[in-house]
Order: sequence, then structure tokens, then C-alpha cells
Amino acid sequence: NAGVTQTPKFRVLKTGQSMTLLCAQDMNHEYMYWYRQDPGMGLRLIHYSVGEGTTAKGEVPDGYNVSRLKKQNFLLGLESAAPSQTSVYFCASSYLEETQYFGPGTRLLVL
Amino acid sequence: GQQVMQIPQYQHVQEGEDFTTYCNSSTTLSNIQWYKQRPGGHPVFLIQLVKSGEVKKQKRLTFQFGEAKKNSSLHITATQTTDVGTYFCAVRHNNDMRFGAGTRLTVKP
Repeated sequence: NAGVTQTPKFRVLKTGQSMTLLCAQDMNHEYMYWYRQDPGMGLRLIHYSVGEGTTAKGEVPDGYNVSRLKKQNFLLGLESAAPSQTSVYFCASSYLEETQYFGPGTRLLVL
Repeated sequence: GQQVMQIPQYQHVQEGEDFTTYCNSSTTLSNIQWYKQRPGGHPVFLIQLVKSGEVKKQKRLTFQFGEAKKNSSLHITATQTTDVGTYFCAVRHNNDMRFGAGTRLTVKP
């Protein structure tokens, strides 16, 4: 039982490049979330999903897209990376509105 | 979505001293969750409070939910070096989660 895993752990991008962050959970959770964490600002919700095939915008969705084609996976895409998207990205999952379980995070640096 | 203010931003204590962090909202909350994040780690769930005036304890940690369900606190008695980290409160409005900015606790041995 791996819980929540994220790939990659670290990535460096040039401005304008695209990439996809993958989140996977093996707890059969319905809800999945993508957050970004910046110094002094806590965690901010980017997008979330309440079930396979559904996604919704969070607090800071601009510049990101997501997909939930399979229940266990939640993908976060950056179509054209910008330096402002340099951050640590956390994925989380939960059984409905209960405890959120977080992945180890992905550190992204956009030059 | 609902916003939650968390104070203080930083707290440095001597080992053995107590520590408290507070979360405040201008609107009534349905529930509030608390998480701890160790340096370099990911947030880990501590507890969820749902009822007005609720008090829950986990060893040296005491969590309170205000009577009006607009504020909450986390109190640590006799801090230890293992308590180091950032403590976050989080509130859910529909399915939108909002986290406080966190209180970073450092403990001097």
C-alpha cells in the first residue's frame, strides 16, 4: 500500500515548456486534489476532482489543466510554464470529505 | 471560497514551553482540520473538529473549536524538538479546501 505517490520528484523547465505531473493513489479514494505551496502562503488549491471523469477549479487554477481519466490517477498539466509557477506541488486524496492524504510533493523550477 | 487567517506566522520556543496557534474565519465553518508539515515533508492530518465548542486531545496536543464555529486553536503543552514543523488549519467549503498560511514552530533544545 503505497498511499499517494507523485512523479517526478523534481523538475527544471524553461519558460514556455510544457509538462505533466502525475499523482497516483491506491486507497480507492474518490476525491483528489492538486495544491501548490509557496513560502509564507500555505497551500493553495489548484484543481480538484470528486470522481473519475470530473474536475473542478480551485483557488488558483489559471495556467493549469487537469484530467482524471482513471480513479486512481490525477494529472496536472502546465501547457506553457512561467517563472511564477515555480513552486512545490502536492497532490492529495481523500475518501469523500474525510482526511486528506498527501503525496511527497514535486519541486518545480521554471527558469 | 472561505478564507481563514492563521496566527502567528512564526513561533520560536524553548523546549518545554507551551505553544498555541490560532485560526480565525469571518464566516461560520462547518468543520476545521489541522495538519502538521515537518521541514522538507508533506502535510500530515492531525484532527478534524466538527461540533461547536469541541475540544479534542492527542497526548500533548489540544484542539479547540470555538462556540461560534468561527475560530479554532491548537495548543501544545511542554514542546519537544519533535514538535518542530509548520501547523496548518484547513477549512472546506463545498469541496473547495482552503488552508491557513501556517504557523512555523521552531524549538530550541
